[in-house]
Amino acid sequence: QLQLQESGSGLVKPSQTLSLTCAVSGGSSGSGAYSWSWIRQPPGKGLEWIGYIYHTGTTYYNPSLKSRVTISVDRSKNQFSLKLTSVTAADTAVYYCASSGRGNYYFDYWGQGTLVTVSS
Amino acid sequence: QSALTQPASVSGSPGQSITISCTGTSSDVGGYNYVSWYQQHLGKAPKLVICDVSNRPSGVSNRFSGSKSGNTASLTISGLQAEDEADYYCTSYTSSRNLWVFGGGTKLTVL
Repeated sequence: QLQLQESGSGLVKPSQTLSLTCAVSGGSSGSGAYSWSWIRQPPGKGLEWIGYIYHTGTTYYNPSLKSRVTISVDRSKNQFSLKLTSVTAADTAVYYCASSGRGNYYFDYWGQGTLVTVSS
Repeated sequence: QSALTQPASVSGSPGQSITISCTGTSSDVGGYNYVSWYQQHLGKAPKLVICDVSNRPSGVSNRFSGSKSGNTASLTISGLQAEDEADYYCTSYTSSRNLWVFGGGTKLTVL
């Protein structure tokens, strides 16, 4: 069974870059068996899809965040990453990584989530 | 404002059935059979309970069922149990520049 674990800085200053990684176990981040997403949830609010990366490296991003987001896969470390630039307080949220099995249009496995607070 | 519309809250007594609706457009819910539902207990990660409109993943109780009519999808939970109290989110694949859109979430209270 696939397991996902987010890690990264829990506190980021305004205008700086948020960086998170998602470690994959029980499967390969570089195989064609899965694609990978980042999803976030501001405190007390709903879920927002951030972006998605195929095993080929092709990416899709939420248009509202596209200019600031980069998602990448590191096959050697069996993980994938999120970078969000020029953050503001509005980017404060719990960030989840999630997987989608090949050909699946849903998120079958989720990490536990990590809270990122944007504050000076 | 979320792309998919869900009621903010629903409630029911143990043993009863409840239904949560999720309304979108022909570009998402109505255009694809790719609606999924997630259960989120307080402080926990979301858990997939229904995929592809009406399919239950392995391990999910058969008290959970899904359906769709036009641009509206529904999640029904029968035989309500205290453990069902949680937030529920729908999501759909979309032909817009977003690949996925979420509903705003529905808080289920078991009375």
